[in-house]
Amino acid sequence: KAGVTQTPRYLIKTRGQQVTLSCSPISGHRSVSWYQQTPGQGLQFLFEYFSETQRNKGNFPGRFSGRQFSNSRSEMNVSTLELGDSALYLCASSLEGIGRGEQYFGPGTRLTVT
Amino acid sequence: GQNIDQPTEMTATEGAIVQINCTYQTSGFNGLFWYQQHAGEAPTFLSYNVLDGLEEKGRFSSFLSRSKGYSYLLLKELQMKDSASYLCAVRDRVGFQKLVFGTGTRLLVSP
Repeated sequence: KAGVTQTPRYLIKTRGQQVTLSCSPISGHRSVSWYQQTPGQGLQFLFEYFSETQRNKGNFPGRFSGRQFSNSRSEMNVSTLELGDSALYLCASSLEGIGRGEQYFGPGTRLTVT
Repeated sequence: GQNIDQPTEMTATEGAIVQINCTYQTSGFNGLFWYQQHAGEAPTFLSYNVLDGLEEKGRFSSFLSRSKGYSYLLLKELQMKDSASYLCAVRDRVGFQKLVFGTGTRLLVSP
């Protein structure tokens, strides 16, 4: 069974631009969660999508948004990029959601904002 | 809110045993996970505890005490490949549940 895939793996953007990251979960998994990982803050929860609905959201500004499609693939969008948005963005999929099981992480997208 | 504390860095020798501690404060505890993350790679699941006690899985064991808000990950017969970051994460029962991660413990195993 293929694992979680994320595209692109690396991205360089300029302050003020916007970016869209993509995540394809393991086949059959309906939940996709997104995390931001930085050296100082560790892994921080952004949001979780389940069956195309946002089920939970972390403490991030409205510039961070996401969506999930009917095939469970998910996208995350960050608008008006700031230098502090430079991070590794990880998505994780699970069968029934964070509350009910183990999550499987993708390799991440390394975003650099200059 | 939630607060999770782990040591930032630990060192150990190949073949030894190391214990990585994690203390947490959360309003609605519903399970604790340990993940391993090698540099530049995705976190991978190691263990899950929801009840008090020890869970053993090969060279790795994880312990939980809910009354103390405390967990540890025990790694035995250390190998060089165990050099990685170890992340403690607590599942919150509030709402549809979130996974709150500690900042991780970087373990360096030397020969």
